[in-house]
Amino acid sequence: EAGVAQSPRYKIIEKRQSVAFWCNPISGHATLYWYQQILGQGPKLLIQFQNNGVVDDSQLPKDRFSAERLKGVDSTLKIQPAKLEDSAVYLCASSQGKQVYNEQFFGPGTRLTVL
Amino acid sequence: QKEVEQNSGPLSVPEGAIASLNCTYSDRGSQSFFWYRQYSGKSPELIMFIYSNGDKEDGRFTAQLNKASQYVSLLIRDSQPSDSATYLCAVEYYNFNKFYFGSGTKLNVKP
Repeated sequence: EAGVAQSPRYKIIEKRQSVAFWCNPISGHATLYWYQQILGQGPKLLIQFQNNGVVDDSQLPKDRFSAERLKGVDSTLKIQPAKLEDSAVYLCASSQGKQVYNEQFFGPGTRLTVL
Repeated sequence: QKEVEQNSGPLSVPEGAIASLNCTYSDRGSQSFFWYRQYSGKSPELIMFIYSNGDKEDGRFTAQLNKASQYVSLLIRDSQPSDSATYLCAVEYYNFNKFYFGSGTKLNVKP
């Protein structure tokens, strides 16, 4: 079974530039999560999709971050414009979307450096 | 109060010892608990989950849940240097479909 795919793996941009990340979840997984993990901290949920609908985006800085999940499969996360404090690893995870015990499977992450 | 709290460590134990990792959480109804391991520069991977009071064992790992005291712990028996990593505690709240991670405890197992 193929895992969660993410691209790119690394990205370096200057502040005020824009950037986009892509995620392809495990086939059949209904729930998709985007996390931001700053060095030394735990993952912080940015947005959660159930199929192609948003379940939770309460911690997404909507003035600069946006995300979509087309057709309930792939997802993209965009930052525009980027700030220095956006430097982090962006993790995508997926789960089956069951009622309970939703094990999340993580992709390799995208390490973003904002200069 | 944070939803999930962990001591950031580092926790240092000698090889062969028992490592004990703890996590406290806010009680907001029905939930299950997950322990993830994250090696430096890698993504989190699930070790085990628990949802009932008591102990759950899987090989060298034992998860313990005490709902009355609102804590969950992970014991690692016969610790190995390869267990050196950050251990993340996570809680899933069913009733409002939320998932929270703690900040993680860094474990160092010394040969």
